[in-house]
Amino acid sequence: GAVVSQHPSRVICKSGTSVKIECRSLDFQATTMFWYRQFPKQSLMLMATSNEGSKATYEQGVEKDKFLINHASLTLSTLTVTSAHPEDSSFYICSAKSGLAGGTDTQYFGPGTRLTVL
Amino acid sequence: AQSVAQPEDQVNVAEGNPLTVKCTYSVSGNPYLFWYVQYPNRGLQFLLKYITGDNLVKGSYGFEAEFNKSQTSFHLKKPSALVSDSALYFCAVRDGNTGKLIFGQGTTLQVKP
Repeated sequence: GAVVSQHPSRVICKSGTSVKIECRSLDFQATTMFWYRQFPKQSLMLMATSNEGSKATYEQGVEKDKFLINHASLTLSTLTVTSAHPEDSSFYICSAKSGLAGGTDTQYFGPGTRLTVL
Repeated sequence: AQSVAQPEDQVNVAEGNPLTVKCTYSVSGNPYLFWYVQYPNRGLQFLLKYITGDNLVKGSYGFEAEFNKSQTSFHLKKPSALVSDSALYFCAVRDGNTGKLIFGQGTTLQVKP
């Protein structure tokens, strides 16, 4: 149980294009999803917290107009990197947390998406 | 402010030997503590957590962790290391106010045959 998928696993795009990354909780309902960014050999940096049906809460320094987050259902959240530039190249990881009463506080992570902007 | 520290960038052990990956934390209130493992180019896999109860927590793949309130530590342990345990390990604490996870900087575990 508690499986989170991400798609695509790897994407290469040209500078100026937009890229959408999907995060799905496969076997549980996730009222809250999180988006992280990870640079090589570094820890995870939280970008935003996404609650189903409401606007995402962005961390300080994260541009909300550049990183669009939508959490339209209890099993799907999307991150769109708009007008991507080479400095946006990174490893993006999502996580999901069950919102059920009595549910655990455990975040379950997706396998990550490697974005390379040329 | 809540924080987590992993004092070792890298831990090297020989296969078959016990391993310890250290983690200390600073929180207000009761800590919710987690260990995750990350293999290259993969997301994080949940290993174990401490919420309340027994100080010794058993998790996946033979790992366990000991919660020590007086030393504010939550070290990850395994009695006998495997080469396949080689990976990046993250300790994390849940911020009681926001629900966010605060991660340590990670420790690379290298198990040599």
